[in-house]
Amino acid sequence: EAGVAQSPRYKIIEKRQSVAFWCNPISGHATLYWYQQILGQGPKLLIQFQNNGVVDDSQLPKDRFSAERLKGVDSTLKIQPAKLEDSAVYLCASRRVRGPVTGELFFGEGSRLTVL
Amino acid sequence: KQEVTQIPAALSVPEGENLVLNCSFTDSAIYNLQWFRQDPGKGLTSLLLIQSSQREQTSGRLNASLDKSSGRSTLYIAASQPGDSATYLCAVRAGGAQKLVFGQGTRLTINP
Repeated sequence: EAGVAQSPRYKIIEKRQSVAFWCNPISGHATLYWYQQILGQGPKLLIQFQNNGVVDDSQLPKDRFSAERLKGVDSTLKIQPAKLEDSAVYLCASRRVRGPVTGELFFGEGSRLTVL
Repeated sequence: KQEVTQIPAALSVPEGENLVLNCSFTDSAIYNLQWFRQDPGKGLTSLLLIQSSQREQTSGRLNASLDKSSGRSTLYIAASQPGDSATYLCAVRAGGAQKLVFGQGTRLTINP
């Protein structure tokens, strides 16, 4: 089966500009996650969707970050305005809710953001 | 609040050695624990998933164990190869929203 798709792979912007990342999860996976991974650290959850509803966005900086998952499939993560500390890799992951292996998470390749 | 710790942060061993990577977590009320591999500039690849009711899982040269009561998991790699060089992350799923909490990873280097 096709994996989690993310784009763009790389993005360089100046501070205060905006950027958007796109994720297409594995077909049939109801749960979608966005993680932020700063160099040398483990991924940190930004937001979790179940179908098109938000389950957890407690660590999402809502003054500048927003995310949506229309129709319960693709998702977009936006940052506006960007700050230097937003430089990181943004990882999208998905998980099947029902089935023989319901807990396993599958990740995309990530979108690397550099804010200058 | 669940916290996950991986020690050491970096490990370098000669090719052919068996090795163990450690992961500890503070809250034993977990649903499952997953080990991932991350190559430089890449996303995370799932290696093994252990449900809370299980003690271990095996895949090829990899064996992961889980001791919920002590809050520990180990990833055993047999007969290490240079291609095993990567960062290994463990993550536990816990809480009402089943949030996945990651450790900071162990950067493994296998020297030919």
